[in-house]
Amino acid sequence: GAGVSQTPSNKVTEKGKYVELRCDPISGHTALYWYRQSLGQGPEFLIYFQGTGAADDSGLPNDRFFAVRPEGSVSTLKIQRTERGDSAVYLCASSPLGKGLAGDTQYFGPGTRLTVL
Amino acid sequence: AQKVTQAQTEISVVEKEDVTLDCVYETRDTTYYLFWYKQPPSGELVFLIRRNSFDEQNEISGRYSWNFQKSTSSFNFTITASQVVDSAVYFCALSEDRDDKIIFGKGTRLHILP
Repeated sequence: GAGVSQTPSNKVTEKGKYVELRCDPISGHTALYWYRQSLGQGPEFLIYFQGTGAADDSGLPNDRFFAVRPEGSVSTLKIQRTERGDSAVYLCASSPLGKGLAGDTQYFGPGTRLTVL
Repeated sequence: AQKVTQAQTEISVVEKEDVTLDCVYETRDTTYYLFWYKQPPSGELVFLIRRNSFDEQNEISGRYSWNFQKSTSSFNFTITASQVVDSAVYFCALSEDRDDKIIFGKGTRLHILP
């Protein structure tokens, strides 16, 4: 398909475990974003990549959260020592403009629903 | 600091009625961008519109229209002749020129009753 894809669609894990969430952006989009959406809330920004580098990681809640985009395309969000409070839908978005210009439209994937028991 | 407020948590209207979703924003930037996204029950966020702060023209797209008023810092969204398929959560959002992230409101859950 032509849209942003995310895998898995659902992930259930136990407290203390490590998880990886994957995002495949729209082909040709150089900017990639991760957001987290808790129940009944709007998405909250986590991190933004321009190419391979993290241009803004100010939204990551703590050092248990880390994301990479080694080849400037697919990105992986990694969460260590998961906690019950990490349960949420993790959304990935990509945008087309090379410089991730403010206002550039972000197109979202379907999300990964993470449940930490 | 930037902020988006959607005061209406939930709205229910009968099909074919018009409905307006309110959005008020706060920003100190003179250049900024406003968005509306739709999130149907499937969960995927669907982009509806982007507006920059220098363009106050209202926009109409089919049954959808948007009213941007800088004087009141509002960017309201109206659905005319609503349909059941319009049922979803609608998010208003803001991006400042200095930044790349989008700040979302808490959303308005819209129920269109048959």
